[in-house]
Amino acid sequence: AQSVAQPEDQVNVAEGNPLTVKCTYSVSGNPYLFWYVQYPNRGLQFLLKYITGDNLVKGSYGFEAEFNKSQTSFHLKKPSALVSDSALYFCAVRDAYSGAGSYQLTFGKGTKLSVIP
Amino acid sequence: DGGITQSPKYLFRKEGQNVTLSCEQNLNHDAMYWYRQDPGQGLRLIYYSQIVNDFQKGDIAEGYSVSREKKESFPLTVTSAQKNPTAFYLCASSMGTLSYEQYFGPGTRLTVT
Repeated sequence: AQSVAQPEDQVNVAEGNPLTVKCTYSVSGNPYLFWYVQYPNRGLQFLLKYITGDNLVKGSYGFEAEFNKSQTSFHLKKPSALVSDSALYFCAVRDAYSGAGSYQLTFGKGTKLSVIP
Repeated sequence: DGGITQSPKYLFRKEGQNVTLSCEQNLNHDAMYWYRQDPGQGLRLIYYSQIVNDFQKGDIAEGYSVSREKKESFPLTVTSAQKNPTAFYLCASSMGTLSYEQYFGPGTRLTVT
């Protein structure tokens, strides 16, 4: 079984400050990890993914995430937050060895990010 | 929202009626998915399809049905058997298996009274 935890329902950060949205995961094998962002009443937009290679992954809109295997974490970061970054952020995982034909991503419950001007 | 369209954006139905939500993609993706989103619960997988004429149940398939007659289309029917149908429904697609990210449509908000 695979699972994702986003321990913070809400994160508040001042504009211009660095932001971190936390994610921890559990899989049987190696993880494929994803971050998505959702604006109100919209679909999810893909931000970045970790499949293999460098632990620091860079994505869209200046976001990056750090894969930490020992801590089973994949925290989303941005050096300088913008008011327009305010949205709902989802972490998702799938097990690389979940078998041929298995497409299921497991999503966290989401973290609401508010960037205060 | 990429090349995935969902219609309508808002849908209202009376209890006891079946309703079909549309999902179309022009990305030439093989796999398509339906998720349900409820406040504070993240996304839960209803059904997914890897190829035409084949689909698999997700975690919460009861009360829902799907078809995949064309690669581009994956409609979802919410039947009267679904106990709590009011939710935000999201369709997604991906190029294939394993490491490919999923791309999402704009969603349909269904309200059943």
